[in-house]
Parts: sequence; structure tokens; C-alpha cells
Amino acid sequence: AQTVTQSQPEMSVQEAETVTLSCTYDTSENNYYLFWYKQPPSRQMILVIRQEAYKQQNATENRFSVNFQKAAKSFSLKISDSQLGDTAMYFCAFMNPSYIYTGTASKLTFGTGTRLQVTL
Amino acid sequence: DAGITQSPRHKVTETGTPVTLRCHQTENHRYMYWYRQDPGHGLRLIHYSYGVKDTDKGEVSDGYSVSRSKTEDFLLTLESATSSQTSVYFCAISEDRDPTEAFFGQGTRLTVV
Repeated sequence: AQTVTQSQPEMSVQEAETVTLSCTYDTSENNYYLFWYKQPPSRQMILVIRQEAYKQQNATENRFSVNFQKAAKSFSLKISDSQLGDTAMYFCAFMNPSYIYTGTASKLTFGTGTRLQVTL
Repeated sequence: DAGITQSPRHKVTETGTPVTLRCHQTENHRYMYWYRQDPGHGLRLIHYSYGVKDTDKGEVSDGYSVSRSKTEDFLLTLESATSSQTSVYFCAISEDRDPTEAFFGQGTRLTVV
């Protein structure tokens, strides 16, 4: 079974600064997907960024980028130029794509989350 | 935004009573999921469906059952609610074309007293 670990329960960053959220995972699979989801106070789960394990290039979405270290099984999220609207809970998640090929759906395994507060 | 509606949004119920949560989608997506969110645990998969009448258990399925009689509806039932089932419940959907992207509903906060 896969496990996802987020060791930072809470973090704080000042507006316009950069912050990095950590995530490690454990799997015996060679191919898989990793995700960062954002959950603002509205409770809505929003996909921030997605990384395919067989792609060596780190994924980027505007101010959000990841540092994917496959050998170390590490998947950190960097938020640049932090904004007040980035205040949220952030979840790292893992997906084993073998489920896709068997037609039995794409199940996510989540970490426990990091609560990020952006301050003035 | 993906068309996912969860109902009710909030519910308080008594221990031992049956409870049904509904997830309704307008996207015609094949896959539907129920997760629960608890402090210190993140989101954990309860049950999922890969088609009408095709369902399977997730990692925390004890005490829950599901049904999917139509593509658009996925029901989660707590046969006899317990205080340990107090949680926020999320429905999610994904499609065949890109099953790696899940779209989530707004969540249902269930309190069992």
C-alpha cells in the first residue's frame, strides 16, 4: 500500500515571499501520479498541480511549482510571490495508475495536510 | 466548475439512525468516489464506483454502503450512524478520458450525536 507523509502541520509565510511545502511518499510502483490539492476555508478541493512520475521535468502552474525527486520519493510544492488567497490547507496525494488500466477507477491516497497562512 | 452537487450540505443525526448522503453529477463521468476528511488523517477513500451498479470498497468502508443505480447519482449510506462517523464527506468524479483528474463536490458535514 502507498503512504503519503506531510511532516509540516502548519506553516506561515509573508505576502510576496516564497514558501515550500514538503511531501514524501512510499511506493513500490515505478509509474504513478502525484498531486497537490488546495482546500481554502470554503472547503472546496482544488487541484493545484499534477506530476507524472515518468516525466523528469518538474511541473509548473503559474506561481506554483514542484520539486520532484523520484529516487528520494519526495514531492515538494513551492509557492512563489505568496498571496493572501493562497491561505488554505494543502494536501499532497498519490495515485497508482494501474487502477486506470484495470478500469477500476483512479483512487487517491492523501497526506494529512499542511495548513498555510499567508500574512501581511 | 464540474457539475457535482452533494446533499445535504450539513446534517446532524442521532447515534443509531440511518443516514444517506447523495452525490449528483451532470458531467456523465464514469467514476465516482466517496471520501471522508478527518483532522490528522487527510482524506480517506470509503467506496468508489466505476460504472452503474459497479462499486468497490476503499480503505475505510466499514459501516458504510453505497449504491449507484444511475450514472449521475452515487449514494452513501450509514446503516446505523456512530459518533466515529462524524466527519466531512466528499464526493469526487473523474472521467475515462483523463481518470487522473478528480473533481470534488463541496462536501457534507455530518455530525452524529
